[in-house]
Parts: sequence; C-alpha cells; structure tokens
Amino acid sequence: DAGVIQSPRHEVTEMGQEVTLRCKPISGHNSLFWYRQTMMRGLELLIYFNNNVPIDDSGMPEDRFSAKMPNASFSTLKIQPSEPRDSAVYFCASSLEDNQPQHFGDGTRLSIL
Amino acid sequence: GEDVEQSLFLSVREGDSSVINCTYTDSSSTYLYWYKQEPGAGLQLLTYIFSNMDMKQDQRLTVLLNKKDKHLSLRIADTQTGDSAIYFCAGFSGGYNKLIFGAGTRLAVHP
Repeated sequence: DAGVIQSPRHEVTEMGQEVTLRCKPISGHNSLFWYRQTMMRGLELLIYFNNNVPIDDSGMPEDRFSAKMPNASFSTLKIQPSEPRDSAVYFCASSLEDNQPQHFGDGTRLSIL
Repeated sequence: GEDVEQSLFLSVREGDSSVINCTYTDSSSTYLYWYKQEPGAGLQLLTYIFSNMDMKQDQRLTVLLNKKDKHLSLRIADTQTGDSAIYFCAGFSGGYNKLIFGAGTRLAVHP
C-alpha cells in the first residue's frame, strides 16, 4: 500500500528562483497537510485541504508561498521567489478526514543558496 | 489553543526501558499521538490513544494518559539501538482540526 509520495526528495536552488514541491496523498484520504520543519521552529503547519478545498492557510508565512490541490491525488506547494530563510524540510501528510491520524511523506529537503 | 511540551533529550542503555513524557494544555483533543522520526525520514505514526482511555499497549510500546494532569507518556520496553530517533507527541487544538506537535524528544540508545 503506497504511502504519501513527495517529490523531489532534495532541491537546491538559488534565491529568487521558483520552487515547486509535489505531493501525492494516500488514495482515499480526504485531507492533505503541508508542514515545514526547521531546527529553530520545529514542525509548523502551513496549510491544509479537505476534499481539495483549502481550509486553513494561516500558517503560510507570506504571499511568496502558495498551495494548490487540483484533484484528490495531487497537491503542490510553490515558493516564488525563494529566499535562503525558506531552507527547511517540507512535509506533506494525509489523513482519511482532518481529525484522523496523519500519515507523512518522507519530505523534501530544500536548500536556497 | 493547544500547547504541547516535551523534554528534549533522553539517553538510555540498550535493553533498558525508555519513558518519554509529554504535557498538553487542551483537554478536548479526541486523540493523542506519538510519532517517530528517524534521521532523513518523515514522521512515522507509532501509536495513538483515544482520550477516554488510560492506557494502550502495543508490543513493546505502552502509552499512558493521565487526563487530570494532562500528561501523556510513551514507554518503550527493551530499548534497542534501532529505537534511536526523535519522538513527537501531538494533539488536536480544540475547535480546530489542527494537529499541534511538541518539539520532539531525541532518544539516544547506547550499549
């Protein structure tokens, strides 16, 4: 049974470039979450979707960040333009419903130079 | 909103039991969770406990919940080197379907 799949696993790019992170949730899961993990701030929820609709985006740091979920099996998190302080590990998670256990992908390690 | 606190570090000898503690503020969370994160990997759901339970056992893992004191613990029996990881407890913030994570406890297992 496939888990949450994220791509790429690693991304290194120069500041100012656009970065797109991708996520495929577990089939049948209706809720999808994007998190960011850093040493300083720990694990932070950026945004979550339920049935492809953004429900809470209060954790999105600023307008440079955007997320979409065009269908039940795919979501993207985009940063444009990227800055060095965006360097972190970005996780996607999914759950059957938004109050159910969340299952995490392996994350994308993002480095902005 | 929910606040979840954990001690940051625990060191145990291989074969001993490990106890990782967590306190939370919001008693309305229906479930409380333990996740494990190994280096370079995502968070793996280890176990969870429903809020109307006091204890849950799953092989080497025992979760204890003290609702009065808002205290959650994870006991790992016969700790092995493969148990070395960061352990996160998490609970839902009341009124919001947002899972709040503690800062994580780094468990180091030495021979």
